[in-house]
Amino acid sequence: KAGVTQTPRYLIKTRGQQVTLSCSPISGHRSVSWYQQTPGQGLQFLFEYFSETQRNKGNFPGRFSGRQFSNSRSEMNVSTLELGDSALYLCASSLEDRGYEQYFGPGTRLTVT
Amino acid sequence: AQSVAQPEDQVNVAEGNPLTVKCTYSVSGNPYLFWYVQYPNRGLQFLLKYITGDNLVKGSYGFEAEFNKSQTSFHLKKPSALVSDSALYFCAVRRWFSGGYNKLIFGAGTRLAVHP
Repeated sequence: KAGVTQTPRYLIKTRGQQVTLSCSPISGHRSVSWYQQTPGQGLQFLFEYFSETQRNKGNFPGRFSGRQFSNSRSEMNVSTLELGDSALYLCASSLEDRGYEQYFGPGTRLTVT
Repeated sequence: AQSVAQPEDQVNVAEGNPLTVKCTYSVSGNPYLFWYVQYPNRGLQFLLKYITGDNLVKGSYGFEAEFNKSQTSFHLKKPSALVSDSALYFCAVRRWFSGGYNKLIFGAGTRLAVHP
């Protein structure tokens, strides 16, 4: 089976712009979670989608949003980018009947200048 | 409240020696515990999990972890370290909230450096 894929792998944006990141989960996985990883804050949970519905949400401002499509692919969007949004954004998918372990994609490295 | 703690920012060990990366948790009920490893510029890779059963869990790449309920710990171990084990290791716990939803909460990570 193919693993979790994320596109693009690298992105450079300017403050004030918006960005959309994409994640394709492992085939058959219906749960997709997003995380932000920074050296200072570590791994922070953004949100989780299951069957096209946002099930959980972390403590991030409304500029961060996401969605999930009927094929379980997910996108996250960040509007009005700030310098502090520079991070590695990780997507993970899981099968809930397998003990909840998550499988991560390689991440998208976002740099905001 | 912090759900999972990794007390060491970095662990240094000589190649061939045993290694331990520590993790303690603080969730109520029976915890679902996980270890992940992250190599530079990569996503996290699942190593092993404890849900129930034997306290000693075996995982990928020769790693194992010991669940200790009385000490609320889930330390990662390997009998003989390799230089290629050098990476960032994350402990995580699945935590349930009121309303039935749950999420995976990660520790801050421990950098393992294995020296030749």
